[in-house]
Amino acid sequence: EAQVTQNPRYLITVTGKKLTVTCSQNMNHEYMSWYRQDPGLGLRQIYYSMNVEVTDKGDVPEGYKVSRKEKRNFPLILESPSPNQTSLYFCASSPLAGGRRQIRSNEQFFGPGTRLTVL
Amino acid sequence: DQQVKQNSPSLSVQEGRISILNCDYTNSMFDYFLWYKKYPAEGPTFLISISSIKDKNEDGRFTVFLNKSAKHLSLHIVPSQPGDSAVYFCAASDRSSGAGSYQLTFGKGTKLSVIP
Repeated sequence: EAQVTQNPRYLITVTGKKLTVTCSQNMNHEYMSWYRQDPGLGLRQIYYSMNVEVTDKGDVPEGYKVSRKEKRNFPLILESPSPNQTSLYFCASSPLAGGRRQIRSNEQFFGPGTRLTVL
Repeated sequence: DQQVKQNSPSLSVQEGRISILNCDYTNSMFDYFLWYKKYPAEGPTFLISISSIKDKNEDGRFTVFLNKSAKHLSLHIVPSQPGDSAVYFCAASDRSSGAGSYQLTFGKGTKLSVIP
């Protein structure tokens, strides 16, 4: 089954304790992205990656790191989590192929989400 | 500056009636628009999309209308069913923007409740 998986699904941690949220996709997609969803703010992009070893900042990258050593995996790293990073996190992926940009769908496939609480 | 706006945080509709969810955008370079549906405890799932060269796209009970001059799009669900109760996100992309052409800019979402 084609899917994006995230682990863990739920995590409660304390301020300053490093954590990693894993994301993996089995669709051979080049593009991967991390979002956070907060009440009243919708989905905001944290980081994205166009391919292996190619990553770039989204709208809210502060306090986060990512890596893309393999095509299928795109972990999100919080080196020193703080309470304002309590949120619902989604990983997404998309193929870069699709012919001329005018016919490309830009559809992204989302994982099930990780609810993180930082105390 | 919010480039994609969904001004109604919530909407309640009677089962069988039409649901209309609205979305406005400010960036005239956006040329592709998508709607996602999100149930609690799940990730967003793609629902329907429309290119800027069209003004309407239909898929079963779901129709998206695009008014480029007004920078406005709407999602119509007819007839509405209780299973349609979810949060709906509008998203837009500028496919001409080089490395950014795969980026999606999301609205804040509208929570639809379909009452049986």
